[in-house]
Amino acid sequence: SYELTQPPSVSVSPGQTARITCSGDALPKQYAYWYQQKPGQAPVLVIYKDSERPSGIPERFSGSSSGTTVTLTISGVQAEDEADYYCQSADSSGTFLYVFGTGTKVTVL
Amino acid sequence: EVQLVESGGGLVQPGGSLRLSCAASGFTFSSYWMSWVRQAPGKGLEWVANIKQDGSEKYYVDSVKGRFTISRDNAKNSLYLQMNSLRAEDTAVYYCARESRGPPSSSFDYWGQGTLVTVSS
Repeated sequence: SYELTQPPSVSVSPGQTARITCSGDALPKQYAYWYQQKPGQAPVLVIYKDSERPSGIPERFSGSSSGTTVTLTISGVQAEDEADYYCQSADSSGTFLYVFGTGTKVTVL
Repeated sequence: EVQLVESGGGLVQPGGSLRLSCAASGFTFSSYWMSWVRQAPGKGLEWVANIKQDGSEKYYVDSVKGRFTISRDNAKNSLYLQMNSLRAEDTAVYYCARESRGPPSSSFDYWGQGTLVTVSS
């Protein structure tokens, strides 16, 4: 089955930049999406189509893509950005199945 | 305002059944693909199933095929998940989510608050 791999954790000091990677063989052919999830809450979409930001999402959140890896960047990290982050994409084999990444816990030191 | 409100979760014994519901409001429900996504305690997100606007296409993750059935009632703006032959590994919070575009590539742009399903004897 198709998998998206993320680092388990990323630690960053306030005001610094956090980068979270997501790797998958189909990412050159399929868009990636990113979600933020805080404890006890539903996920929130923060990036769609690799690099687009939904309305209401702060400009410090950005996305990029290169080959089989996509990256979520949080510039000028704030304490409120501490959360779990998940990438999501689709299998490119035509099975119409969605896949989430393994998740990354971002800790603001 | 888009709202998705799940209900129907609870404690069920292994082998039992449960039906989850999701009430949608604030958008034209019949115009969107809809999905169920689950999250086991302390674990990551897992897409479970989705359904086309008119109910004519449905897709499932392999682990629930033959046991779960997704359905919708556009007249009632409601999404359902019938879960049979439940196993301990089905224990999770189940979220109802709206797909922005539908397959083959789509995000989940709105989510409900989730309903907890616990499978245990």
